[in-house]
Amino acid sequence: EVQLVESGGGLVQPGGSLRLSCAASGFIFSRYTMHWVRQAPGKGLEYVSAISSNGGSTYYANSVKGRFTISRDNSKNTLYLQMGSLRAEDMAVYYCARRGSSTSLDVWGQGTTVTVSS
Amino acid sequence: QPVLTQSPSASASLGASVTLTCTLSSDYSNYKVDWYQQRPGKGPRFVMRVGTGEIVGSKGDGIPDRFSVLGSGLNRYLTIKNIQEEDESDYHCGADYGSGSNSWVFGGGTKLTVL
Repeated sequence: EVQLVESGGGLVQPGGSLRLSCAASGFIFSRYTMHWVRQAPGKGLEYVSAISSNGGSTYYANSVKGRFTISRDNSKNTLYLQMGSLRAEDMAVYYCARRGSSTSLDVWGQGTTVTVSS
Repeated sequence: QPVLTQSPSASASLGASVTLTCTLSSDYSNYKVDWYQQRPGKGPRFVMRVGTGEIVGSKGDGIPDRFSVLGSGLNRYLTIKNIQEEDESDYHCGADYGSGSNSWVFGGGTKLTVL
């Protein structure tokens, strides 16, 4: 079964850091570009970041550029999002998603919740 | 980058049909749009992609034949026929853009209520 499972969310103070993980299974992880997408409470989806299949290229939304770092370990079939200088507006459910051959985001995880509060 | 606009809510009776609309900003009439279904408390699920005509590529895994799409001008439509209780979800449209299609923009989502 093709599956993505996020972890690492939690409560963090403003200005703090957190690292999210996304464990992939059921497909050849190293062949796919991967994305992070977030959803603030009661809001729509917002693109966060993407990384190419070999990790050589990374992309960020302007809202997180310079504060977040996306990476991957293809030997562990795992995607990461290192988040720093966290703000209240970063509070959201964070989803990882696989970009399929058609470029659609064809597989999504169940999400992990990040709460930023003092 | 394109801007996608969706109505916040829609409703339909059990067994009826409903059409949801995603409107692209001007100058982006040739863009393809993906539809995603998000049931309460779950992650999004890919439904299908639509361009300026009908479906582009294949439907997502397990998407019933009751779901169809159409594109016209700046509008991208998702139609659900014979609505079932399990169709009650948020429906998001999204479009990729930029270098290598590695950036995404999404509409605000439409909450579909089944009466």
